[in-house]
Amino acid sequence: QVQLVQSGAEVMKPGASVKVSCKASGYTFTGYYIHWVRQAPGQGLEWMGWINPNSGGPNYAQNFQGRVTMTRDTSINTVYMQLSGLRFDDTAVYFCARLNPLLGDFDYWGQGTLVTVSS
Amino acid sequence: SYVLTQPPSVSVAPGQMARITCGANNIGTKSVHWYQQKPGQAPVLVDYDASDRPSGIPQRFSGSNSGNTATLTISRVEAGDEADYYCQVFDFDSDHYVFGTGTKVTVL
Repeated sequence: QVQLVQSGAEVMKPGASVKVSCKASGYTFTGYYIHWVRQAPGQGLEWMGWINPNSGGPNYAQNFQGRVTMTRDTSINTVYMQLSGLRFDDTAVYFCARLNPLLGDFDYWGQGTLVTVSS
Repeated sequence: SYVLTQPPSVSVAPGQMARITCGANNIGTKSVHWYQQKPGQAPVLVDYDASDRPSGIPQRFSGSNSGNTATLTISRVEAGDEADYYCQVFDFDSDHYVFGTGTKVTVL
């Protein structure tokens, strides 16, 4: 069965960088783009961008350009999302999600990783 | 940027029908997908392309899309349907994926 398993919660200082991982299993890793979506406490879903696990090429949402880096390691079927220059308002749950290429929906999601930015 | 507007909340009695709207310019020309999110959990796809459901999702959930409004309808609402619901599209103009503002469904 398809699974996306994310790394554990992080507490970071303002200005630091955080790197969240998302390990895929149950399907061909290079066949599906992985997206990142975040959700601040009590707020809605915000799309951050995607990575093509086959080529490694990313596409970032305008709001995160210059601060986010998405990478992958095909040897362990894992994608990473690094966010730098952390601010208090980056406190959120970060989700990875697999894109269904036929219709553009997110058919499988990771369990989420809480990143808390605190001094 | 493309904005998807949803009502903040919808209240419905058990057994009744809930309708959740997602409004945007010419949304009827796009594929709209709906997600259910319960507290502390990841979103779950409940309807894709406003026309079909993933396996395991009850037939009580159905989507439609026309003009400037997409709608998720939940028939015969149950207590377990209480959750936040989000619509989502791909905006070709910006090459961005967009989520709606979210609707909290409360079962009375």
